[in-house]
This record gives sequence, C-alpha cells and structure tokens, in this order.
Amino acid sequence: AQSVTQLDSHVSVSEGTPVLLRCNYSSSYSPSLFWYVQHPNKGLQLLLKYTSAATLVKGINGFEAEFKKSETSFHLTKPSAHMSDAAEYFCVVSGRRDTGRRALTFGSGTRLQVQP
Amino acid sequence: NAGVMQNPRHLVRRRGQEARLRCSPMKGHSHVYWYRQLPEEGLKFMVYLQKENIIDESGMPKERFSAEFPKEGPSILRIQQVVRGDSAAYFCASSPPIGTGVEQYFGPGTRLTVT
Repeated sequence: AQSVTQLDSHVSVSEGTPVLLRCNYSSSYSPSLFWYVQHPNKGLQLLLKYTSAATLVKGINGFEAEFKKSETSFHLTKPSAHMSDAAEYFCVVSGRRDTGRRALTFGSGTRLQVQP
Repeated sequence: NAGVMQNPRHLVRRRGQEARLRCSPMKGHSHVYWYRQLPEEGLKFMVYLQKENIIDESGMPKERFSAEFPKEGPSILRIQQVVRGDSAAYFCASSPPIGTGVEQYFGPGTRLTVT
C-alpha cells in the first residue's frame, strides 16, 4: 500500500518570497508522484508529475519538485510566490503500474496563503 | 480539446432521494475514476472503470453507491437513498490508455448537498 504525508496543513508566505510545500511518501514500489492544485470551489489542475525519469521535475507556473528516494520526499518549490498561487495543494501517489491499479492516493492538502 | 465534463455542477437532494452524477472523459481517454472530497479533506478514491467494466471498486461504500461506464454515453455515479453524510464534492477523472500516461485529468466536480 502507498501513502503520502503533507507535513504542513497551512503555509503562509509573502508575495515575491520562495514557496516550499513538503511531502513525504511511503511506497513498496517505484511510485509515480504528482502535485495537484485546487483553487476554491474549482477542480484540480495537474502541476507536475514524476514517473522515474529526471528526479527534478519542472511544472507549470514556475513550480518544480525534486524526487529524493533516500529521503522518500517530493517537496514542491517555487522561487517567488505570486498572489494567484494562493490555493490548496495536494501531493499524490499513484498505484502500482504493473498491477493495473491506478487509484490515486491523496495527501491531506496544504493551504497556501500569499500575503501582499 | 474539451476537458473532463461533469454535470450537474451543483445538486441538491432531500434525504432518501437518488442522486445521479455524470462524467464525460476527455477525448481519447478510455479510463474513468470517481473520487469524493469531504469538506476540508483530500480526495478519496471510489471506483475505476473502463467501458462496460468496473476495474477497481475498492473505495466504494458497500451499499447505496454504484457506478457504470456504458459503451455509449457518460459514466454515471449513482447514490440511492442519500443521507446527509453523502454531502461532498464528487470528482471524476480520466486518463489515456495504459502505457501512454499515468496522470489523471480532473473535471470541475459535482457538489452534492443533502438536505
């Protein structure tokens, strides 16, 4: 079985400062990992994905994440926060591909606030 | 290319009524997934379907909930005899055939309110 733990339920940053949203995963196989963003009362948008290629993954809107197997982490970063980044962010792990199990397991979410 | 479509976007039902939620996957996608999001929580997997087949229903409640993805038409999530605890946002996602990508693309969700 797989799981993800988002270490912070709320993160507050000032506009223009770096963003760090932390995620640790647990998996008995080589996982695929994702970050999704959800704006209030909206659906989920895929920010980026890791699928065993490059460990540093670049996504949309200036976000990136680094897969660190030794630390079982997949933290999301952005060099400079923008007001429009305020949203809920979910770290997600997929099921084991070779079994055909494709259900996604979501973390509990991190609410990012951006102060002017 | 239209994204995942869900309707209705908002649905209000009285306790004991039936709720039907519809999902049309992205063009070219043959896999559909349903997730439920309770207030202030992450999404929880419910069911994974391909056309005319339920592949994984390990997250579906044992009673009152059912899902289908017929040969023609949208996928349907059906909740019979709704209770207040069914109030949640229900999201549908779709993905391309196995081997061409693992990411899932989500629809805007249906927000079900049971009064």
